[in-house]
Amino acid sequence: GQQVMQIPQYQHVQEGEDFTTYCNSSTTLSNIQWYKQRPGGHPVFLIQLVKSGEVKKQKRLTFQFGEAKKNSSLHITATQTTDVGTYFCAGYSGNTPLVFGKGTRLSVIA
Amino acid sequence: DSGVTQTPKHLITATGQRVTLRCSPRSGDLSVYWYQQSLDQGLQFLIQYYNGEERAKGNILERFSAQQFPDLHSELNLSSLELGDSALYFCASSPESKGSSPLHFGNGTRLTVT
Repeated sequence: GQQVMQIPQYQHVQEGEDFTTYCNSSTTLSNIQWYKQRPGGHPVFLIQLVKSGEVKKQKRLTFQFGEAKKNSSLHITATQTTDVGTYFCAGYSGNTPLVFGKGTRLSVIA
Repeated sequence: DSGVTQTPKHLITATGQRVTLRCSPRSGDLSVYWYQQSLDQGLQFLIQYYNGEERAKGNILERFSAQQFPDLHSELNLSSLELGDSALYFCASSPESKGSSPLHFGNGTRLTVT
């Protein structure tokens, strides 16, 4: 079945450094969604990418969808302590419900 | 506040027991999804209901079952509990049956099996 791989599993950064998490799907996706889960919280939807090569920005966060619609990335510029949490990508291929990656847990050291 | 309500927040029970987790979706959402989150295991999809009918099944054990009622709330029943069933169980809802819409998650039920 469809698999979504996400790397790295953990990332520790100094406040002000950049951070990137990568997501790869075993199948071509119709869309990819990104979620953030704060420690002790629940996943919260951040954004959805639909088009090949699409790039979307939310303040310091930049989301990209690959040309082949099988990979995606989330880049955070100049991380802040408020960015702490686990970032999940979730891929939809049209056949099954959203398949979530295992997430990247981001720690920010002040 | 996502608008998705899950109860109870915490459950502590013994092996072999049965529990029921409850979820009320966001107003207007017809789809309810159940996910299991264990330590470092990400979000494992269990089952989806859409407007009262089972829509998709994931890695749900035979000891687990779910249903969605006419008022669209859903219950996840876990029976013959084992230590390994200890996890955070999330319910999520969306307006559509397909996975093309964002999911809105509840706060989760933390199940501890002792």
